[in-house]
Amino acid sequence: KAGVTQTPRYLIKTRGQQVTLSCSPISGHRSVSWYQQTPGQGLQFLFEYFSETQRNKGNFPGRFSGRQFSNSRSEMNVSTLELGDSALYLCASSLDGPRGELFFGEGSRLTVL
Amino acid sequence: ILNVEQSPQSLHVQEGDSTNFTCSFPSSNFYALHWYRWETAKSPEALFVMTLNGDEKKKGRISATLNTKEGYSYLYIKGSQPEDSATYLCAFDNTDKLIFGTGTRLQVFP
Repeated sequence: KAGVTQTPRYLIKTRGQQVTLSCSPISGHRSVSWYQQTPGQGLQFLFEYFSETQRNKGNFPGRFSGRQFSNSRSEMNVSTLELGDSALYLCASSLDGPRGELFFGEGSRLTVL
Repeated sequence: ILNVEQSPQSLHVQEGDSTNFTCSFPSSNFYALHWYRWETAKSPEALFVMTLNGDEKKKGRISATLNTKEGYSYLYIKGSQPEDSATYLCAFDNTDKLIFGTGTRLQVFP
């Protein structure tokens, strides 16, 4: 069975631009959660979507947003990029939420210049 | 502020050595404790999800224990192999979200 797919894998943007990252979960998984990893930090929770509804949100500014489509695919968007947004963004899918085992994608590495 | 602490930060062992890491988490609002293994250039992969105080789980040479009353979990690797080299992450589920530690980076030398 296909794993979690994230696109793009790598991207470079400049300050002030915006970016959209995509995540296709494992077939049948309805929950998608997003995490940010920066050097020296653990994975920081961004948000979780289940059946197109945001169920939970981490402590990130409003520039970070997301959505989920009816096929469970999810996108996250970061507007007005800042240098500090350079990070690896991971998405994870699970059957019914972050309580059970998470299946991670390989991540999208964003560099902001 | 909810902190999940992992120790040590990094570990270098010889092939065949057994090793263990610690994950400390708040003892209140506990729902579950997850362990993930993250190899370089790959995605994190679940090892265990533990929910009950006193839980012990095992997968091959890797096992984990859980003490929710004192807020810690141990991960053990018996007879480490070079392919065990990875970062081991624990994550605390406080009924609201998963809070990850910064991981223990293990390198096993042949």
